[in-house]
Amino acid sequence: AQSVSQHNHHVILSEAASLELGCNYSYGGTVNLFWYVQYPGQHLQLLLKYFSGDPLVKGIKGFEAEFIKSKFSFNLRKPSVQWSDTAEYFCAVDNQGGKLIFGQGTELSVKP
Amino acid sequence: DAGVTQSPTHLIKTRGQQVTLRCSPKSGHDTVSWYQQALGQGPQFIFQYYEEEERQRGNFPDRFSGHQFPNYSSELNVNALLLGDSALYLCASSSTGPGNQPQHFGDGTRLSIL
Repeated sequence: AQSVSQHNHHVILSEAASLELGCNYSYGGTVNLFWYVQYPGQHLQLLLKYFSGDPLVKGIKGFEAEFIKSKFSFNLRKPSVQWSDTAEYFCAVDNQGGKLIFGQGTELSVKP
Repeated sequence: DAGVTQSPTHLIKTRGQQVTLRCSPKSGHDTVSWYQQALGQGPQFIFQYYEEEERQRGNFPDRFSGHQFPNYSSELNVNALLLGDSALYLCASSSTGPGNQPQHFGDGTRLSIL
């Protein structure tokens, strides 16, 4: 069965620190990859997506992610976090059938 | 441009009861998916509707059923509620237009079972 694993459950950073959130998936075929963010009290929002092409994708608010097919990974990065990045981050995989498989999420707390 | 809207926002039911949750997709979207998000977990796929048919289904029992209407809105029905059905239920919509289309999520319905 397909699964998505997010390595960090809770990450605490100071403002201006760099961020990297790990995501690995298990599925051997072609996949679409996503990072969603859920700010406190808000709905899930799409941060970025990978369908094909350049494995380094850029999203909103300065986030980027790199798809490494050989490692089944899609890690999320941001060079310098802000207090407003405090949120829960979800990695998700779609085997192109429209069924999203989510990781369990990483809670990011940014201290001002 | 309206996003995905869900109703109600909160609901309290008792064990054994039945519940219906509603979703209106984002304008221009024709596909609706439902997810269950338990506390501290990522969303889990329940099923997806397109052209008024269930197109895919996750690992949920038959107590969970759905419907899609000609205007693309959708309902999620849960029968014989169990305590473990307490969760946030999310609706997501997408378009089957050219290329892959990401899903857009609503705010969810918080269902509490007493």
